[in-house]
Amino acid sequence: DVVMTQSPLSLPVTLGQSASISCRSSESLVYSDGNTYLNWFQQRPGQSPRRLIYKVSNRDSGVPDRFSGSGSGTDFTLKISSVEAEDVGVYYCMQGTYWPRTFGQGTKVEIK
Amino acid sequence: EVQLVESGGGLVQPGGSLRLSCVASGFTFSSYTMHWIRQAPGKGLEYVSAISSSGDRTYYVNSVRGRFTISRDNSKNTLFLQMGSLTAEDMAVYYCAREPAFGDLDYWGQGTLVTASS
Repeated sequence: DVVMTQSPLSLPVTLGQSASISCRSSESLVYSDGNTYLNWFQQRPGQSPRRLIYKVSNRDSGVPDRFSGSGSGTDFTLKISSVEAEDVGVYYCMQGTYWPRTFGQGTKVEIK
Repeated sequence: EVQLVESGGGLVQPGGSLRLSCVASGFTFSSYTMHWIRQAPGKGLEYVSAISSSGDRTYYVNSVRGRFTISRDNSKNTLFLQMGSLTAEDMAVYYCAREPAFGDLDYWGQGTLVTASS
């Protein structure tokens, strides 16, 4: 199975400051169709996961533009440009290129 | 509005069985591949199973293959997960999710909790 490794696992941030989460895959996520199937999900406390980003950098409708995704191959990043209180939660990357789909361990974002 | 509502969770003894359901609304259920993902208490997300839109193709993660069966009833907009020979490692919140396109999951349900009875 493809292993997804996130860092850091815990990320205390000050309101208004930026935050970055790294996600690395054990194999290239470029599929035979040329697309890279790397998604980011946010899970707020007590809630279900919510998709933020699909195919590396495409933001879901309704997702604030302070969230952005980037990367290629095996190395990906989710950036929050100016953290707000509502951003508290756990963030997961997920690869959709290979079976089984696999998730990173999760990064817990909290306010300092 | 897309909605996925899971049910069927509850207390189960180790070695027992349980069937989970996920009722879909707000979209053409029969056009989408559907998935089950689980989350043990306080832990991360773990992929479980998938079924194609018509139900003719299924996928299982190794840890559940042979014990779990995914199925669907497109006439009732319902996804199922029949779970058997349950162990402590299967105790989790089970989510159903929709695949809008290959490699992607967009909408998730609220989850249903499977717990071990003493």
